[in-house]
Amino acid sequence: NAGVTQTPKFRVLKTGQSMTLLCAQDMNHEYMYWYRQDPGMGLRLIHYSVGEGTTAKGEVPDGYNVSRLKKQNFLLGLESAAPSQTSVYFCASSYPWDRENTEAFFGQGTRLTVV
Amino acid sequence: KQEVTQIPAALSVPEGENLVLNCSFTDSAIYNLQWFRQDPGKGLTSLLLIQSSQREQTSGRLNASLDKSSGRSTLYIAASQPGDSATYLCAVWYMNRDDKIIFGKGTRLHILP
Repeated sequence: NAGVTQTPKFRVLKTGQSMTLLCAQDMNHEYMYWYRQDPGMGLRLIHYSVGEGTTAKGEVPDGYNVSRLKKQNFLLGLESAAPSQTSVYFCASSYPWDRENTEAFFGQGTRLTVV
Repeated sequence: KQEVTQIPAALSVPEGENLVLNCSFTDSAIYNLQWFRQDPGKGLTSLLLIQSSQREQTSGRLNASLDKSSGRSTLYIAASQPGDSATYLCAVWYMNRDDKIIFGKGTRLHILP
């Protein structure tokens, strides 16, 4: 009964380094999302995907790339990390928005620090 | 601009009191509204989901209401307990917006023993 699993849970990067955050869900959800959460800013959508092989930009996409090669996985990449990307990153998944009783399920978060 | 506002930003109440958290949204064209709880350093736990056709949902001591015409939802917590201390987030699933799910900034709730 895993739900949404994020890897890793913590990471420290140096400015300019790259990394990939992995999100995996076992609920057969079509939609997946990446959010970042910062003090005073709330949760902001970075990118999202409405199905395998599709991605779209959210509110704050700059500096990030994503891929959805498999339905159950959604990867978030930082090509050249910057201190402004220090944040807590959350992945979520759901069925399509117009399906009855659709709700979003969230992972436990990845705390990323860029020094 | 489609937004979600939560008032108050922070709230402290003595244990045992009933309390209401507020969420307002700017467009009545929504699919769902979902209330979450977030403990410090943790992820989001879903509390209640209200579909656009519903007016309220209940789970234990929690009751969430939805009034689309006025753009408001309330989360009512009965007989509050110290374990209820957390941040409560409201998320709205807008119909006419590409990214659909918009979050409020949350209400930090502290229940005083």
